[in-house]
Amino acid sequence: SQTIHQWPATLVQPVGSPLSLECTVEGTSNPNLYWYRQAAGRGLQLLFYSVGIGQISSEVPQNLSASRPQDRQFILSSKKLLLSDSGFYLCAWSSGGSYYEQYFGPGTRLTVT
Amino acid sequence: AQKVTQAQTEISVVEKEDVTLDCVYETRDTTYYLFWYKQPPSGELVFLIRRNSFDEQNEISGRYSWNFQKSTSSFNFTITASQVVDSAVYFCALTRMDSSYKLIFGSGTRLLVRP
Repeated sequence: SQTIHQWPATLVQPVGSPLSLECTVEGTSNPNLYWYRQAAGRGLQLLFYSVGIGQISSEVPQNLSASRPQDRQFILSSKKLLLSDSGFYLCAWSSGGSYYEQYFGPGTRLTVT
Repeated sequence: AQKVTQAQTEISVVEKEDVTLDCVYETRDTTYYLFWYKQPPSGELVFLIRRNSFDEQNEISGRYSWNFQKSTSSFNFTITASQVVDSAVYFCALTRMDSSYKLIFGSGTRLLVRP
């Protein structure tokens, strides 16, 4: 069966520090991968998606970036965090080439101080 | 443009009451998929159901049921005999039928079930 992992689960970082959040999927190959952010009490904002290795599409221009170095690995990064980057970050996957449901990881709660 | 509207921001019910969460969508695609997700306090989104645009049969799973009506572009979710564990934020979503395979999410409805 397929599983999706995210780490770390929680993170407290000072403004201006770098960020690296990792997401890995097991049990499937060539998945579509997604990064979402959810501000407190708000809806889901799609940040990046990837339909293949090295293929990254950005939805919202900001100081975040994403990379997909391996088929089932998706990384969200920032060189310098802003206060507004605080939130709940969710990684998701769906079967490559299908319009079916996305499955979400447990999320990373990021607080920028 | 594609859009999903969940007009109910927050609903509060007493345990054992039935509750319906509304979802209205807009799309120009003739084929599409609709979804419901549950986000409990832990934060992880849990997939509940997928519905194909060609299948308008209602779906029932235990205390959960879904009413898909193409004529009104609605995909409503009913919880029968609600329980405290049903307290969560519920999201409705629609597929983007392009090479991005993205989902368009509604803003969510927070359901509070009081004992």
